[in-house]
Amino acid sequence: EAGVAQSPRYKIIEKRQSVAFWCNPISGHATLYWYQQILGQGPKLLIQFQNNGVVDDSQLPKDRFSAERLKGVDSTLKIQPAKLEDSAVYLCASSVNRVGEQFFGPGTRLTVL
Amino acid sequence: AQTVTQSQPEMSVQEAETVTLSCTYDTSENNYYLFWYKQPPSRQMILVIRQEAYKQQNATENRFSVNFQKAAKSFSLKISDSQLGDTAMYFCAFIPYAGNMLTFGGGTRLMVKP
Repeated sequence: EAGVAQSPRYKIIEKRQSVAFWCNPISGHATLYWYQQILGQGPKLLIQFQNNGVVDDSQLPKDRFSAERLKGVDSTLKIQPAKLEDSAVYLCASSVNRVGEQFFGPGTRLTVL
Repeated sequence: AQTVTQSQPEMSVQEAETVTLSCTYDTSENNYYLFWYKQPPSRQMILVIRQEAYKQQNATENRFSVNFQKAAKSFSLKISDSQLGDTAMYFCAFIPYAGNMLTFGGGTRLMVKP
């Protein structure tokens, strides 16, 4: 069974630029999550999708971050414009249901200069 | 809101020894799930063990076991017969049964020494 795929693995941009991350969850997993993991900290949930609907985006900085999962499968997370404090690893995870085991992708390491 | 606290930023253990990682949490919920996740240096997070709050029996997965103390809101992870491959960051996490958000602790960096 293929795992959660993410791309790119690494991204370096300058502040005020835009960036997008892509995630393809495990086939059949209805729930998809985006986390931000700042170095030395635990992951923080940014947004959770159930199929193509948003379940929780209370911790998403909506003035600069956006995410979509239009067809209920893969998802993109966008930051526009980026700030220095956005430097982090962005993890995507998926699960069969809301309280099921979450399977994580390898993450995208973003560096904002 | 729930909080998860891991009070040990770093720990080390000799290979083949036993080590216990601590986790405490704060919640007003009665039904919830607790997890320990492992994040090796390659960064991909994997589930180590899961505990349902309504179960009194502590969960066990091979060399990994938990000590779940619901009244004390404590959820520690014991790793027996530590192996070099156990070197990783370990995160404790909590989700209410009726909630959506998985809340992680700050992590404990475990180093297994040969």
